[in-house]
Amino acid sequence: NAGVMQNPRHLVRRRGQEARLRCSPMKGHSHVYWYRQLPEEGLKFMVYLQKENIIDESGMPKERFSAEFPKEGPSILRIQQVVRGDSAAYFCASSPRTGGKETQYFGPGTRLLVL
Amino acid sequence: KNEVEQSPQNLTAQEGEFITINCSYSVGISALHWLQQHPGGGIVSLFMLSSGKKKHGRLIATINIQEKHSSLHITASHPRDSAVYICAGSGAGSYQLTFGKGTKLSVIP
Repeated sequence: NAGVMQNPRHLVRRRGQEARLRCSPMKGHSHVYWYRQLPEEGLKFMVYLQKENIIDESGMPKERFSAEFPKEGPSILRIQQVVRGDSAAYFCASSPRTGGKETQYFGPGTRLLVL
Repeated sequence: KNEVEQSPQNLTAQEGEFITINCSYSVGISALHWLQQHPGGGIVSLFMLSSGKKKHGRLIATINIQEKHSSLHITASHPRDSAVYICAGSGAGSYQLTFGKGTKLSVIP
């Protein structure tokens, strides 16, 4: 039973390029959460999605960032025109149901470095 | 606004020692999650608890709802326990996790 999968594990981009981060939730999980961990800082919530729906994107910057979770395929976090401040570890997590008392299972993260 | 505070920020222990990491949280948080982040960066969920106590191997997590305080204990610590331990809170019916800044634990042989 594979866990949450993220790819790529490491991504290097130059300023102005686009970054696409993919997350495949655990089998049977239809709830996906994206978190960002800036260097020397704690994890911060970005966005919560269910299949084909964005439920809460209150933690995501209004510009350049977007997320989707299509009916088929992985969830995608897309960062357009990356800047150095986007360099961080991006984690996704999944759960079978929503709610504060559900365990969220984390992926290994994608470490984005913007040169 | 939900808040979570952890202490200590850094902790060094000798192998075999009993370790305690503390977490205080604000009103509005009804469940507490303990996570472990390895030096390689991966995150593992250790416990989720809203009352009482949970145990898994050498790890024990407790929560005191009245005092809004949770502790993570590690018995007979081992160098492989070296990691960052993070507590995170979620509100009633809410999926959003509010994270503490983490406790970096180093267990020396």
